[in-house]
This record gives sequence, C-alpha cells and structure tokens, in this order.
Amino acid sequence: GIQVEQSPPDLILQEGANSTLRCNFSDSVNNLQWFHQNPWGQLINLFYIPSGTKQNGRLSATTVATERYSLLYISSSQTTDSGVYFCAADPTGGGNKLTFGTGTQLKVEL
Amino acid sequence: DSGVTQTPKHLITATGQRVTLRCSPRSGDLSVYWYQQSLDQGLQFLIQYYNGEERAKGNILERFSAQQFPDLHSELNLSSLELGDSALYFCASSVQDLRTDTQYFGPGTRLTVL
Repeated sequence: GIQVEQSPPDLILQEGANSTLRCNFSDSVNNLQWFHQNPWGQLINLFYIPSGTKQNGRLSATTVATERYSLLYISSSQTTDSGVYFCAADPTGGGNKLTFGTGTQLKVEL
Repeated sequence: DSGVTQTPKHLITATGQRVTLRCSPRSGDLSVYWYQQSLDQGLQFLIQYYNGEERAKGNILERFSAQQFPDLHSELNLSSLELGDSALYFCASSVQDLRTDTQYFGPGTRLTVL
C-alpha cells in the first residue's frame, strides 16, 4: 500500500515563528488531506489538497503531485497551533480510504 | 464542529466484553468511514459504508463489525475485547463515494479496556 512519511516528527517553536511541515507519499493520489489533532484528540480538517496551493489564514499548503510531496506552512504561530499535524492520502489505484502518516508533534511556546 | 457526531465520548469496559460505538454523519453525507487510532498502530482505516452498503475494508479484525442503517447512521461493534483494543475510534463522513471527497471526522470515542 501507499507509504506516507512526515517530517519532522517533533517541532518546538516560539510564538510568532514560522514553520514548514513536510509529507512524502509513495504513489500518485486522488485525495490528500491535512489535519490538526488538538490536545483533546479531535481531528480538524485543514486542507483537501491533492495538488496545487491553498491558503486559509495563517496556514497554507502546497502539494506537488508529480514529485509526491506536500508542504504545510504555519506562519506567525500561536500556542493554539500546538498539537499533532497529520497528512493522509488515498492512492489513485486504491480504495476510498485514507492512509495516515505518523504525524508531526508541534509545541508552540510563549 | 465538523457536523459528525459520535457517542459515547468515553467508554470503559473489561476484557471479553462487547461494545457498540455510534456515529451520525453530516447532514447529506452518504459515506461513513471508521478509523482506529492507537499508540502502536497510529491512525488506520477500518471500514467504509456507502448508503447502507459496505464499500471498502481495511485492517479490521474479525471480532469487529459495522453496519450503516437506512437513516445513514452507523454503528461499530467490537466484541471479545482485548487490552490492545483500547484506542480512539473515529468516524468520518463524506458526501458520496468518490475518491476526491473530503472526509470530515467526528470527535471520536475513547475506548479503554481494563
């Protein structure tokens, strides 16, 4: 099946800093989503982005489908950005199910 | 709030028991997916239903089963529970059954097996 790898596994930032999270996937995809899992465990949709670039406030994402990677940019980070960021992909040849990466644990400190 | 609801939020039970987790999809969504998040396995897909029919299966144990009812809510049944079944169980929903559909996740049910 498709392999989804995320880096870095852990990240500590000072409030106000910017960061880039990376997701590599091993096959072409129909569906690529980014999620934020908050400290209470809830998975929050950030982006549906199998290709191209999207922005939502301080967050933006870019997927380069031909090179099989996606980037999530967080600008001017806030303590509420803390949590785990997951990338999940559904391969073109697979069923309609998401394969998740192992996540990036982000902690934003004052 | 994603619009997907799950009950109960927490469940504590003993080994060997059986539990039922319930999910109501977003209004208008026909597809329901179940995922399990555990410390050792991470987040993994279990099963998908579309408009009452099973559509895809992942790493779901034979002790687990699911169904989707005519009102589109879904239930995940876990039986002969083992300590290793302790996990966060998520339900997600999407409009149709297309690979391009965005999946929206519920708040999860945290299962603890003692």
